[in-house]
Amino acid sequence: QVQLQESGPGLVKPSETLSLNCTVSGGAMSSYYWSWIRQPPGKGLECIGYIYYSGSTNYNPSFKSRVTISVDTSKNQFSLKLNSVTAADTAVYYCARRSYSGGYHFDYWGQGTLVTVSS
Amino acid sequence: DIQMTQSPSSLSASVGDRVTITCRASQSVSYFLNWYQQKPGKAPKLLIYAASNLQSGVPSRFSGSGSGTDFTLTITSLQPEDFATFYCQQSYSSPLTFGGGTKVEIK
Repeated sequence: QVQLQESGPGLVKPSETLSLNCTVSGGAMSSYYWSWIRQPPGKGLECIGYIYYSGSTNYNPSFKSRVTISVDTSKNQFSLKLNSVTAADTAVYYCARRSYSGGYHFDYWGQGTLVTVSS
Repeated sequence: DIQMTQSPSSLSASVGDRVTITCRASQSVSYFLNWYQQKPGKAPKLLIYAASNLQSGVPSRFSGSGSGTDFTLTITSLQPEDFATFYCQQSYSSPLTFGGGTKVEIK
């Protein structure tokens, strides 16, 4: 059973960089895309971007200038960095596996981690 | 970006009811449409992928249909554990986008 677990600070100051890791267990990272998705409190879901196990990335243009996603397959981890954060970046951040079967979908998710942007 | 619009945004239903949620895309997404269920404080769970394919382990009372711009999620007999928020998501083009959600509450 594939499991994902987010980790990182729950509080980030405005203008600083939000950094999260996602550790994948119970399965290999190869042949899959690995994604970051966020959900502001009481709101809907928003894709931030994804990375292929080989390292190629695709970012939502809404975040493109601020986001970096990287992968370390030796540690079974991938990471999110979002810089110049504001209060609008306060959200639950999920990592998820993006699979393909008749189309891409997110079949495994982490439990999510709340990141609050506040001084 | 492709905009996904769900209706209704919320509904009240009783155990045993048949429930239908609709999702409309701002342009055709072919059959590249997925449905998720999210309970409070939990991550979304994949229910249906590629418009009509039931994810492994999901009860058969859930079904999906549609293609192009109009899609439907149907729950044939609502169970107590089904009260949650449901989201559609298109995977036709990047960025992948979600609908605003439909909250199913107990009547």
